[in-house]
Amino acid sequence: QKEVEQNSGPLSVPEGAIASLNCTYSDRGSQSFFWYRQYSGKSPELIMSIYSNGDKEDGRFTAQLNKASQYVSLLIRDSQPSDSATYLCAVTPRSQGNLIFGKGTKLSVKP
Amino acid sequence: EPEVTQTPSHQVTQMGQEVILRCVPISNHLYFYWYRQILGQKVEFLVSFYNNEISEKSEIFDDQFSVERPDGSNFTLKIRSTKLEDSAMYFCASSGRGQPAMYFGPGTRLTVT
Repeated sequence: QKEVEQNSGPLSVPEGAIASLNCTYSDRGSQSFFWYRQYSGKSPELIMSIYSNGDKEDGRFTAQLNKASQYVSLLIRDSQPSDSATYLCAVTPRSQGNLIFGKGTKLSVKP
Repeated sequence: EPEVTQTPSHQVTQMGQEVILRCVPISNHLYFYWYRQILGQKVEFLVSFYNNEISEKSEIFDDQFSVERPDGSNFTLKIRSTKLEDSAMYFCASSGRGQPAMYFGPGTRLTVT
């Protein structure tokens, strides 16, 4: 059974701080890794994708992948109240195919 | 910016009735998916569709479910005889060739009474 694990939170950080979200996955052959943001009652919104070991930066977001440890993380710098949402880690076991989602980590950014 | 669209946004139906959920994927995408999310639970894969046929399906996608691409733009999910436990948000998603990133529509909230 392929699993994606995340701490459910809530993770609370003050405005302007760095939020750090973590995810582990069970299938060592997984190839593509994604972070989605989901506001309450809305659909998942893609914010980062990463396919190789190391860091990938996009604006205030940095995704980190360590395939040896089967670990993916997302850092959000200068957190804003509008970043308050549930962050979903998703993994696909092949170069293209269905996603396996974690349960998500709820982030709360306090003004 | 191109986006996935879904209709209706909310569907209420009685147990045992058939429902059809509709999606228009991003126009140049070739891979189409349906996912569902029961309230408070994680997003679950139902089915993927490529080249006019199902490429993969989960255990949830039993004989009560079917998918179709009736024309060049729409992608539908049919639930033949709805059960109370089918109540959930249903998301359509699509991705392009060589592009693993998947984009989701706004969802249809299905309520079975």
